[in-house]
Amino acid sequence: KNQVEQSPQSLIILEGKNCTLQCNYTVSPFSNLRWYKQDTGRGPVSLTIMTFSENTKSNGRYTATLDADTKQSSLHITASQLSDSASYICVVTDGQNFVFGPGTRLSVLP
Amino acid sequence: DTEVTQTPKHLVMGMTNKKSLKCEQHMGHRAMYWYKQKAKKPPELMFVYSYEKLSINESVPSRFSPECPNSSLLNLHLHALQPEDSALYLCASSPEWDPRDTQYFGPGTRLTVL
Repeated sequence: KNQVEQSPQSLIILEGKNCTLQCNYTVSPFSNLRWYKQDTGRGPVSLTIMTFSENTKSNGRYTATLDADTKQSSLHITASQLSDSASYICVVTDGQNFVFGPGTRLSVLP
Repeated sequence: DTEVTQTPKHLVMGMTNKKSLKCEQHMGHRAMYWYKQKAKKPPELMFVYSYEKLSINESVPSRFSPECPNSSLLNLHLHALQPEDSALYLCASSPEWDPRDTQYFGPGTRLTVL
């Protein structure tokens, strides 16, 4: 069964600190993996998209990594800001379907 | 214009009411989607329209009725809903119905069924 798991479920960090969110998937065949940021009560916004051949991709303070062999991805946030408080959702596609992870809820405190 | 708009932002309705959610995009995207999202859960796909034709219906109850009047508009007609249908309803669009394309999400409509 195609599944996407994320950890931790929630995370609290202080402003200015770094953090790393994890995504493990069993989706097969693999087409691509996306990280979305979703503010409370808003729609998700795409941060990065990675295909099989890509190991790392950055978008400002966000850096995503992909290990297609172990079927793991991570999202690293550098120098966190209060506005980074949101849910981060990992979405993996098998070429036809989108499989959403449950998300990690990040809270950045001053 | 690079955004997806949804109206209304909030909607409260009784179980006997009929209401509609609206979604609009002017990016020339030919695929549009409806998702349902419960609190602290990821979005669940409900419907996919590709070139104004319904391509996917994920076994959604008939009290939800989608409509795509043209390539820029997507409606979701609601009738005889249940309290458990209360959720955030998200609309999204992408250039084509292709998992390689990024989906652009609207801000959502927060629906409460009393």
